[in-house]
Amino acid sequence: RKEVEQDPGPFNVPEGATVAFNCTYSNSASQSFFWYRQDCRKEPKLLMSVYSSGNEDGRFTAQLNRASQYISLLIRDSKLSDSATYLCVVPPWGFQKLVFGTGTRLLVSP
Amino acid sequence: DAGVIQSPRHEVTEMGQEVTLRCKPISGHDYLFWYRQTMMRGLELLIYFNNNVPIDDSGMPEDRFSAKMPNASFSTLKIQPSEPRDSAVYFCAWGTGDYNEQFFGPGTRLTVL
Repeated sequence: RKEVEQDPGPFNVPEGATVAFNCTYSNSASQSFFWYRQDCRKEPKLLMSVYSSGNEDGRFTAQLNRASQYISLLIRDSKLSDSATYLCVVPPWGFQKLVFGTGTRLLVSP
Repeated sequence: DAGVIQSPRHEVTEMGQEVTLRCKPISGHDYLFWYRQTMMRGLELLIYFNNNVPIDDSGMPEDRFSAKMPNASFSTLKIQPSEPRDSAVYFCAWGTGDYNEQFFGPGTRLTVL
């Protein structure tokens, strides 16, 4: 089993839609989790951090289910500018390094 | 701007040539990371430093790759000799050690012909 697994997509949604991505991880000891966003030909940028059961920032909600070892990212009222690849990131506990999923591509259309 | 300068931004070279990639993070960080990204393999950690000391280089593909961090504000990743399969985007990132958050530079797009 891969350390971090994501559905690669693409997810094609219209503007205003709600879309959710899931990410599963294998290391049950991991304590912190992240969602990064990467635009085409750009660097990954931190979108949200999740340290407990979840986090919410405007239209974005991240939830953590430790029992089932998955993290989800919910985007409400999708905008054209949300089109990007969303990377799930899980650091092994006790280490500074990050393990990245392969990313889920989102395309928001008018 | 995540406070990381990488140079060059683009590099095209021929197989067998030496390539040196540079990273200048903002001061005050504790950790520096080098990543490589390809379509096939995604984002992979190559090596990371803590207070200028290499901590984990298990991701370095082979002896052709080497990395140094002579001081807190400068790091290099060298490939010698380069091969076409080294073509990728190489990112440098910094972290403070707080909650594992990392901040990426703009990357160097390397093409080896």
